Amino acid sequence: DGGITQSPKYLFRKEGQNVTLSCEQNLNHDAMYWYRQDPGQGLRLIYYSQIVNDFQKGDIAEGYSVSREKKESFPLTVTSAQKNPTAFYLCASSTFYTSAHRGEQYFGPGTRLTVT
Amino acid sequence: QKEVEQNSGPLSVPEGAIASLNCTYSDRVSQSFFWYRQYSGKSPELIMSIYSNGDKEDGRFTAQLNKASQYVSLLIRDSQPSDSATYLCAVNRDTDKLIFGTGTRLQVFP
Repeated sequence: DGGITQSPKYLFRKEGQNVTLSCEQNLNHDAMYWYRQDPGQGLRLIYYSQIVNDFQKGDIAEGYSVSREKKESFPLTVTSAQKNPTAFYLCASSTFYTSAHRGEQYFGPGTRLTVT
Repeated sequence: QKEVEQNSGPLSVPEGAIASLNCTYSDRVSQSFFWYRQYSGKSPELIMSIYSNGDKEDGRFTAQLNKASQYVSLLIRDSQPSDSATYLCAVNRDTDKLIFGTGTRLQVFP
């Protein structure tokens, strides 16, 4: 079964600790994305990567870091510098933009992070 | 002005009715448009994509695009309680990113 997996589903951390969220895909997609969703709000882009060993900041990158060492994997680290880390974190992937595929993204199940 | 705007709702419709969800976008160069359905506590699921002016039908769903007026809509025919969810509009402005609206919450009551 092709898809995107995120782990864990729920994550609890104490303030001041770094935490890494996992995202893996077996869709052979080139691009991967991290979003944050807060209650009643839309999706905000944190980081994205179009190819291995390269990534770009999104709209709210401060306090987050990523790596893309393998095509299948795009882990997100929430650092202690992130002021309000409690949120629902979503990973997505997409194939390269073509006439047939024009940027549609497919999402993993998400990780709900609570920091106290 | 937000890049992608949606009425937050809730939009309440009776079972069996047509639900009409609207989305406007600000950037005229936008090329691709998507509708995602998100159930409470779950991740978004792609349900429709549309690239050209006009209508695109898939089962009970119809997406409508009007680039001149910069709006895209989603019609859900024969609405069911299981359609109750938040519907996110997304617009692909550049080739590598989507811009999402904040979503419209749809409630279908029996």
